[in-house]
Amino acid sequence: EVQLVESGGGLVQPGGSLRLSCEASGFTFSGSAMSWVRQAPGKGLEWVSALSGNGANTYHADSVKGRFTISRDNSKNTLYLQMNSLRAEDTAVYYCAKGRSWHTNTVFDYWGQGTLVTVSS
Amino acid sequence: DIQMTQSPSSLSASVGDRVTITCRASQGINNYLAWFQQKPGKVPKLLVYAASTLQSGVPSRFSGSGSGTDFTLTISSLQPEDVAVYYCQKYDGAPFTFGPGTKVDIK
Repeated sequence: EVQLVESGGGLVQPGGSLRLSCEASGFTFSGSAMSWVRQAPGKGLEWVSALSGNGANTYHADSVKGRFTISRDNSKNTLYLQMNSLRAEDTAVYYCAKGRSWHTNTVFDYWGQGTLVTVSS
Repeated sequence: DIQMTQSPSSLSASVGDRVTITCRASQGINNYLAWFQQKPGKVPKLLVYAASTLQSGVPSRFSGSGSGTDFTLTISSLQPEDVAVYYCQKYDGAPFTFGPGTKVDIK
């Protein structure tokens, strides 16, 4: 059974940093591209970042480029999102999602339960 | 970047009705299109990928069609458990943009 468990969310002040983690199990982690998607309170889904199965190819939305970095440790079956220079508009539930294939041009078929990030003073 | 639009933004239909949601890409994306269902307070769930392939376990009343720029999600007979927001997403390349969503309610 595919399981994705996010952690690391919480309350942070504007300008602060957080690192989100997503522990994966139930599938071949290195064989799957991974992605982060967020949802602000009462809003729609916004794609944030994605990376390929070997981590060589990474992509970020313009809204987070230069501030967020996606990475993975395939030896630990864990996906990360390093978030710096946080803004109020980054407040959202952050979901990690698993790709059907190792490359990022793939559908993301399983999602974790999400972790809430609140940016506020 | 390619923009994704959906119509309508919301709809209300009776149980048993046929419901159609449209998603349009501002440029062609071949069939790199997925549909997700998000019930209130729940995690988004994949319904359809490659524009028309039903994800395993999804009821057969859901179907997807289209290619290029115009796509459709159809619920052949609306059920009370289908109350949700439906999103399309392109995945032909970054950015992997979602549509704004279509809220489906029971009349």
